[in-house]
Amino acid sequence: NAGVTQTPKFRVLKTGQSMTLLCAQDMNHEYMYWYRQDPGMGLRLIHYSVGEGTTAKGEVPDGYNVSRLKKQNFLLGLESAAPSQTSVYFCASSLAGRNTDTQYFGPGTRLTVL
Amino acid sequence: EDQVTQSPEALRLQEGESSSLNCSYTVSGLRGLFWYRQDPGKGPEFLFTLYSAGEEKEKERLKATLTKKESFLHITAPKPEDSATYLCAVQATGGFKTIFGAGTRLFVKA
Repeated sequence: NAGVTQTPKFRVLKTGQSMTLLCAQDMNHEYMYWYRQDPGMGLRLIHYSVGEGTTAKGEVPDGYNVSRLKKQNFLLGLESAAPSQTSVYFCASSLAGRNTDTQYFGPGTRLTVL
Repeated sequence: EDQVTQSPEALRLQEGESSSLNCSYTVSGLRGLFWYRQDPGKGPEFLFTLYSAGEEKEKERLKATLTKKESFLHITAPKPEDSATYLCAVQATGGFKTIFGAGTRLFVKA
């Protein structure tokens, strides 16, 4: 049981390049989330999904797109990377139902945009 | 606007020196307050969920408490392995969004 995994672990992009971050969970969780974490700031929600085929915007969605084609996977895309998107990205998942609260996090992807 | 403020930003303790971390919050309606531990280079690890004022939860040397405006994470006789960043977060009723504080970095020296 691997929990939540993220690929890649590190990535360096040039301004304007695109990339996709992959999140996978093997806990059969309904809900999945993408956060970014910047120094001195709390985790901020980018997008989230409450089930396969559904996505919704979080607090800071601009410049990002997501897809949830399979229940176990949640993809985060950057179409045209900007230096302001340099950050550590975390994926999380949680169960649906009364106890949706407990989110389980992946190890993170450190992205640098030059 | 929902908001979470943690204090202090950093805390340095000697091994065995007990202390508390503070999490102040404002939220329209509290569904739950969470504490996570985050080690350098890793994702947050769940510690506790508190749902209502007066609730307390314990795990080893950690004890979390909740009032209507703040939560405390009490650390009793800390050890060097307790060194980490502790994150507080709240989830409001009627939504999926979880608001995180910036965290308290705890350093415990042997």
